[in-house]
Amino acid sequence: SQTIHQWPATLVQPVGSPLSLECTVEGTSNPNLYWYRQAAGRGLQLLFYSIGIDQISSEVPQNLSASRPQDRQFILSSKKLLLSDSGFYLCAWSVMGHNQPQHFGDGTRLSIL
Amino acid sequence: GDSVTQMEGPVTLSEEAFLTINCTYTATGYPSLFWYVQYPGEGLQLLLKATKADDKGSNKGFEATYRKETTSFHLEKGSVQVSDSAVYFCALCNQAGTALIFGKGTTLSVSS
Repeated sequence: SQTIHQWPATLVQPVGSPLSLECTVEGTSNPNLYWYRQAAGRGLQLLFYSIGIDQISSEVPQNLSASRPQDRQFILSSKKLLLSDSGFYLCAWSVMGHNQPQHFGDGTRLSIL
Repeated sequence: GDSVTQMEGPVTLSEEAFLTINCTYTATGYPSLFWYVQYPGEGLQLLLKATKADDKGSNKGFEATYRKETTSFHLEKGSVQVSDSAVYFCALCNQAGTALIFGKGTTLSVSS
């Protein structure tokens, strides 16, 4: 069966520090991969999606970036965090193709001080 | 563009009450529709889905019917339990098929 792992589960970082969140998927090949942010009391905002290695689309302008160095690995990064980057970050995967459901990791709670 | 609108929460019910969470959508074509549930501190779990008009998705006592004529996908459960307390998200697949578009979520709180 397929599984998705995200880490760390929680992270507290000072403003201006770098960020690296990692997500890996097991049990499937060539998945679509996604990064979402969920601010407190709000819905999900799609940040990035990827349909293959080094194929990444950004949905919103921001100081975050994403990379996909391997087929089942998706990394969310920042060189200098802002207070507004606080939130709950979720990674998700789906099989390729239209109208497929997405399957989510357990999320990373990021607090910026 | 494509969008999903959910009823504002929170929804507060007593155990064994009937639940309806309204969801309507705007989309080009006939997207698949989904309901996800998020328990406190966790990621989202797929609850049910429907891929075409008049399909009924069901899981764990929850049901939702894809209504093309009213562009709706309302979530229902006949008898809620305390363990159903969570945030519920309605979603559709965008036209390009590359991502899901989510509603803002509806918080359900069930008391015994």
